[in-house]
Amino acid sequence: KNQVEQSPQSLIILEGKNCTLQCNYTVSPFSNLRWYKQDTGRGPVSLTIMTFSENTKSNGRYTATLDADTKQSSLHITASQLSDSASYICVVSGNQAGTALIFGKGTTLSVSS
Amino acid sequence: DAGITQSPRHKVTETGTPVTLRCHQTENHRYMYWYRQDPGHGLRLIHYSYGVKDTDKGEVSDGYSVSRSKTEDFLLTLESATSSQTSVYFCAISESGVKTQYFGPGTRLLVL
Repeated sequence: KNQVEQSPQSLIILEGKNCTLQCNYTVSPFSNLRWYKQDTGRGPVSLTIMTFSENTKSNGRYTATLDADTKQSSLHITASQLSDSASYICVVSGNQAGTALIFGKGTTLSVSS
Repeated sequence: DAGITQSPRHKVTETGTPVTLRCHQTENHRYMYWYRQDPGHGLRLIHYSYGVKDTDKGEVSDGYSVSRSKTEDFLLTLESATSSQTSVYFCAISESGVKTQYFGPGTRLLVL
């Protein structure tokens, strides 16, 4: 069964600290892996999208890694800010049409001062 | 929200009534999608469109229909709303299937 599992479910960190969120998937076939940020009450916003051949991609303080062999991805947030408080969703696409997106349930990150 | 609007933003309705949600884009993107988001679940695809009048079913399409008569508008209809369709509905658009999907602000639907 195609699945995307994220860990931890929730995380609390102090402002300025770094953190890493994990994503394991069993989706096959694989087209690409995406990370989204979703603020409370809003739609998800894309952070990164990686294909099979890419093993790292950055977007400002966000760096995503992909190991297609072990089917694992991580999202590293550097020097966290209060505005990073959100749900981070890992999404794996199983086809080129974008119609077989398997969404993880997300990691809820709370950054406190 | 990348030129995507959804209407209404909030709706309360009664079981058995039809409901139509509208997604409007100003980006001229080919693909449009409807998702629902429920606690304890990831986002799930209801229906999608890959062009005007070209639509297909997603993972959770039962009880829903869609129409796309113009590039910019994608309508989601709940033919006879049920309490299990209480959810937050998101529209998304993309230039192609492998490109980033941009999400709208969502519609909160409560079916009593």
